[in-house]
Amino acid sequence: SQELEQSPQSLIVQEGKNLTINCTSSKTLYGLYWYKQKYGEGLIFLMMLQKGGEEKSHEKITAKLDEKKQQSSLHITASQPSHAGIYLCGATVHRIQGAQKLVFGQGTRLTINP
Amino acid sequence: DAGVIQSPRHEVTEMGQEVTLRCKPISGHNSLFWYRQTMMRGLELLIYFNNNVPIDDSGMPEDRFSAKMPNASFSTLKIQPSEPRDSAVYFCASSLSGGVIGYTFGSGTRLTVV
Repeated sequence: SQELEQSPQSLIVQEGKNLTINCTSSKTLYGLYWYKQKYGEGLIFLMMLQKGGEEKSHEKITAKLDEKKQQSSLHITASQPSHAGIYLCGATVHRIQGAQKLVFGQGTRLTINP
Repeated sequence: DAGVIQSPRHEVTEMGQEVTLRCKPISGHNSLFWYRQTMMRGLELLIYFNNNVPIDDSGMPEDRFSAKMPNASFSTLKIQPSEPRDSAVYFCASSLSGGVIGYTFGSGTRLTVV
């Protein structure tokens, strides 16, 4: 079965610093999704990557999918308190049309210290 | 668009009671997913539907859990009888065309079984 490993599990950084969260898959990724979750709330969609080597950015957050399509990284530049929360990577592992299972890693809890 | 709507937001029930969680997906989305989130196990996929048909229920923990999708705009997740270990946050998500444009999550139902 598909397994996603996120690292680190938790991260505490000083406001203004850069940081990177990694997501590694045991199988080839056909779709990689990054979500953010605040405590007690639902998941907010950040970005989706599908092609090996693909890179997307939104404001100060950049996500990449490596060429072999088994690892993704999420990079935050000049972190702010609003970036605090739990970051989850999710993946679909089947190259089929129609509904696909989206499974998640355990999440990375990010704390930003002022 | 109102997004994915889940009800209730919070549910406290006694062990042994029946619990029904409800979800209204985004209009036009043809896939619906039920997830459970706990500190220990993270975000687990319980079951998902495509065009109202259950595709994969391998994540449903026990026969006490059942899910239905009688039409494209409504789904229920029922637990009967409920147990304290069922306490978790239950999320519903919907997508179009296998998640090509992302999966949208509801705000979740926080279930506490005492």
